[in-house]
Amino acid sequence: QQQVKQSPQSLIVQKGGISIINCAYENTAFDYFPWYQQFPGKGPALLIAIRPDVSEKKEGRFTISFNKSAKQFSLHIMDSQPGDSATYFCAASDATSGSRLTFGEGTQLTVNP
Amino acid sequence: GAVVSQHPSWVICKSGTSVKIECRSLDFQATTMFWYRQFPKQSLMLMATSNEGSKATYEQGVEKDKFLINHASLTLSTLTVTSAHPEDSSFYICSAVGPLNTGELFFGEGSRLTVL
Repeated sequence: QQQVKQSPQSLIVQKGGISIINCAYENTAFDYFPWYQQFPGKGPALLIAIRPDVSEKKEGRFTISFNKSAKQFSLHIMDSQPGDSATYFCAASDATSGSRLTFGEGTQLTVNP
Repeated sequence: GAVVSQHPSWVICKSGTSVKIECRSLDFQATTMFWYRQFPKQSLMLMATSNEGSKATYEQGVEKDKFLINHASLTLSTLTVTSAHPEDSSFYICSAVGPLNTGELFFGEGSRLTVL
């Protein structure tokens, strides 16, 4: 059973634009929501993460928005660059799972120059 | 940040042979590591949770006799694909729970297995 749904499956953005990827979850016990960036042939790398006690977290050009009541969270990439072209995964875990992550389906982002 | 290394990064083997993939935490001790499998353009599928000094916990549908996991030390977990077949060809990725107990996972670079 897929507990984290991610959309869109693919996204094309012009350089300088804003990329927005959304995720929705079902398990209300989830308390850790990371986003990972993966380049072809490489392992995922943590981009940014948030916990439910805040509604937004910003690190450089990357922002997570979190809506606990709607059970949704999103990644915003400001001033998108061609180097941001990669696959992005949202994920979630809860304290009882021992860091066992449930991943979204992934979004392939292409930033055109 | 904490570094997790996988070896080999790619391997080609003949059908019926066994292949071992190593996952090492280079600058921290990892009591728990995870093994994933990823098919092209798909998400990561958790295969098993590897705990140092105890048996691995496998996800439903993953054959424990097919995918042997050993976590003999706090810095090394291994995945052995036994009697590999072409359908086992995939990208295998490990991750380790970071040293600060924040829930953050650190991922290896992945290992591409091709079974001929």
